[in-house]
Amino acid sequence: GAVVSQHPSRVICKSGTSVKIECRSLDFQATTMFWYRQFPKKSLMLMATSNEGSKATYEQGVEKDKFLINHASLTLSTLTVTSAHPEDSSFYICSARALADSTDTQYFGPGTRLTVL
Amino acid sequence: RKEVEQDPGPFNVPEGATVAFNCTYSNSASQSFFWYRQDCRKEPKLLMSVYSSGNEDGRFTAQLNRASQYISLLIRDSKLSDSATYLCVVTSYSGAGSYQLTFGKGTKLSVIP
Repeated sequence: GAVVSQHPSRVICKSGTSVKIECRSLDFQATTMFWYRQFPKKSLMLMATSNEGSKATYEQGVEKDKFLINHASLTLSTLTVTSAHPEDSSFYICSARALADSTDTQYFGPGTRLTVL
Repeated sequence: RKEVEQDPGPFNVPEGATVAFNCTYSNSASQSFFWYRQDCRKEPKLLMSVYSSGNEDGRFTAQLNRASQYISLLIRDSKLSDSATYLCVVTSYSGAGSYQLTFGKGTKLSVIP
């Protein structure tokens, strides 16, 4: 099956620093990658949709200048949380849709747990 | 009204029991439907797709009723390893050839020895 990796799996940082999270599709090319956030005991919420070579589309209420997304290749998308604050502490999960896949299937990465002190 | 609503749970059932989860969705233009399983502090993993004709995969049976905008998941002969949170997921077309997933809050299942 399609494999998506994320790095790092866990990060602890100080308030005010920036954190970059990588999402890679390992054995397929992904035209579209999605970034989600999940707070404890809450459902996954889509933050943004990222298409290779174009600007990401952000969901309402998600600050594009705070959550920078880059999708420079068909196998890599990055999410940078700039000037992180404790309220940004969450579980960030990416998913990818295969280039050759005409269905809605998204393959999820293992997630990155961010803790901002 | 929330887009995808699920039983609040938690469900605590003995091994071998049959348990059913329900889900309703508000967007009548929704295209595809899935059940995902999420273990504690892990990413969601696709359990099965849901079709109007109903589909079965071993001990798991999923059903979709488009008229009522209702989705169900039945687990027979529960195993300890079935303990997880089950997420109802609905997709809708978001334009430019892309589909967007909307997740329910999830229903937690604990299977007890």
